[in-house]
Amino acid sequence: GQQVQQSPASLVLQEGENAELQCNFSTSLNSMQWFYQRPGGSLVSLFYNPSGTKHSGRLTSTTVIKERRSSLHISSSQTTDSGTYLCALERDTNTGKLTFGDGTVLTVKP
Amino acid sequence: GPKVLQIPSHQIIDMGQMVTLNCDPVSNHLYFYWYKQILGQQMEFLVNFYNGKVMEKSKLFKDQFSVERPDGSYFTLKIQPTALEDSAVYFCASSSPAEQFFGPGTRLTVL
Repeated sequence: GQQVQQSPASLVLQEGENAELQCNFSTSLNSMQWFYQRPGGSLVSLFYNPSGTKHSGRLTSTTVIKERRSSLHISSSQTTDSGTYLCALERDTNTGKLTFGDGTVLTVKP
Repeated sequence: GPKVLQIPSHQIIDMGQMVTLNCDPVSNHLYFYWYKQILGQQMEFLVNFYNGKVMEKSKLFKDQFSVERPDGSYFTLKIQPTALEDSAVYFCASSSPAEQFFGPGTRLTVL
């Protein structure tokens, strides 16, 4: 089965609404990273978050290792937040290999 | 954030030809990676590279693929010969060693 599962697969919001994106994993974890993939394809690292909670502007990432989940919260969404959000985990083998989820496609309407 | 550059951004070649994809990683990073993403599909790990050696490679990293970083210059992915199924966007990443930063990708089209 898939090691990294993201939900929802897609999400449509009105500008100003909040979003909660989930990433569940079925294997042991060394680190978790969240990325934003622009419509053109390039990836932006949002968080490197092996455990706990991190904040960056309107974004918050929380990783709970015992529960094998990580979440990305976007508050007061903007149209420019539209795109694909990917989570990726590095297993505890410590080789650096990232295993990606399928992503959540977010559309924020004005 | 730190920048990873990739050259070229697009490459179109005929099946059977050789292609080299170039990556200029973040200057103080020591770990380098290639990932492959077919249009509309999941990002998949190909290979990682440290201290002049391949550390791990996936099943997607066929015998026709090779990587190197001669004398601290570009980190390259060479495919020789190319096949139709090699058409994809190839992303390079680097780390030191934790958080990985990705380049913008090279879109490879094999005809």
